[in-house]
Amino acid sequence: DAGVIQSPRHEVTEMGQEVTLRCKPISGHNSLFWYRQTMMRGLELLIYFNNNVPIDDSGMPEDRFSAKMPNASFSTLKIQPSEPRDSAVYFCASSFPAGDVGEQFFGPGTRLTVL
Amino acid sequence: KNEVEQSPQNLTAQEGEFITINCSYSVGISALHWLQQHPGGGIVSLFMLSSGKKKHGRLIATINIQEKHSSLHITASHPRDSAVYICVGAEYGNKLVFGAGTILRVKS
Repeated sequence: DAGVIQSPRHEVTEMGQEVTLRCKPISGHNSLFWYRQTMMRGLELLIYFNNNVPIDDSGMPEDRFSAKMPNASFSTLKIQPSEPRDSAVYFCASSFPAGDVGEQFFGPGTRLTVL
Repeated sequence: KNEVEQSPQNLTAQEGEFITINCSYSVGISALHWLQQHPGGGIVSLFMLSSGKKKHGRLIATINIQEKHSSLHITASHPRDSAVYICVGAEYGNKLVFGAGTILRVKS
């Protein structure tokens, strides 16, 4: 398996533009997670899905952020409009829970810079 | 509020030394993940454990449920072990609580 795939790997955009980050989880995994990492705040969980359904989006910073998972093999994280403070590395991870919790496998991340 | 605390924050060791990173967590955490993040930024899941001990190569992770404490040990450390090690508590339902991370530098 290729692991968790994220695209793009790097994104540079101007303030106010819409940004869409993409994630393909590992085949067979039924949980998907979006994280953001900054120097100031470290790793933060933004939202996670179980069986394509959003379970907890309490980490989503504000209404400018939205995430979708239209099917088991694809998810998007959208920021509209983007702001410089959104600059961070965004990680996607997937897992197949054994019981309550499963080991998570991380994608390579998308480094977002908003000018 | 569920919390995860790691120590030390920074650790410098000589090649070959035995290294221990500690993690304490509060109630409500059902399992512990140990993550490794290399200077290039990639994150690797090292272990997930809810009881006992796991070993993978030179890495050993232990957890004491009663004391709500986990440790990550690295035997015969090597400069390529230099990375940030993050302890992550998993609440029931998969919500994660992150420790602040331990920056490890192994000098040759």
